[in-house]
Amino acid sequence: DGGITQSPKYLFRKEGQNVTLSCEQNLNHDAMYWYRQDPGQGLRLIYYSQIVNDFQKGDIAEGYSVSREKKESFPLTVTSAQKNPTAFYLCASRLVGEAFFGQGTRLTVV
Amino acid sequence: SQQGEEDPQALSIQEGENATMNCSYKTSINNLQWYRQNSGRGLVHLILIRSNEREKHSGRLRVTLDTSKKSSSLLITASRAADTASYFCATDGRGTSGSRLTFGEGTQLTVNP
Repeated sequence: DGGITQSPKYLFRKEGQNVTLSCEQNLNHDAMYWYRQDPGQGLRLIYYSQIVNDFQKGDIAEGYSVSREKKESFPLTVTSAQKNPTAFYLCASRLVGEAFFGQGTRLTVV
Repeated sequence: SQQGEEDPQALSIQEGENATMNCSYKTSINNLQWYRQNSGRGLVHLILIRSNEREKHSGRLRVTLDTSKKSSSLLITASRAADTASYFCATDGRGTSGSRLTFGEGTQLTVNP
């Protein structure tokens, strides 16, 4: 089935560690996005990519990094520089118009 | 910064009533979209309205767009308990922002049986 997959669903990180969240899509979409959602809040844009080997910072890029080596994949690394990383992370992809979302990764710092 | 701002933040109604949510935005747009999110899940696309359209319908959904006021509204008619969710507007930026897609803070809708 076509779709967008995020893994893992739950992730625990110790303070000072980097962690990488996976996002894979088989929809042949050009654009991919990463958002952060805090409890009861909206989605804030972290990074987005329109084509392979190119990406742009969103509104809250500090403490995060991404890569886009393949069209299907857009992993997000939460670095130790991100001081408050506990949140729900959502990945999306699209050609134009409608975006398709993964089911999210809930990251908790322990 | 957030492009869209939804109003109200929370809305509680009885089954069968209509629900109206509003969205305001700040910059020029190519289109405006509405999404739904069930608790702890990903977002699901509901409807898209282009900047040259004023109204659009899809089933029990009706969306309006007023580009002069930079605002949009989502009306859900004859609501059902299953409509309980958060609803977000998203703007597709025009110009150098390319394919940037920016979301608002959302409206939490509760439909009581």
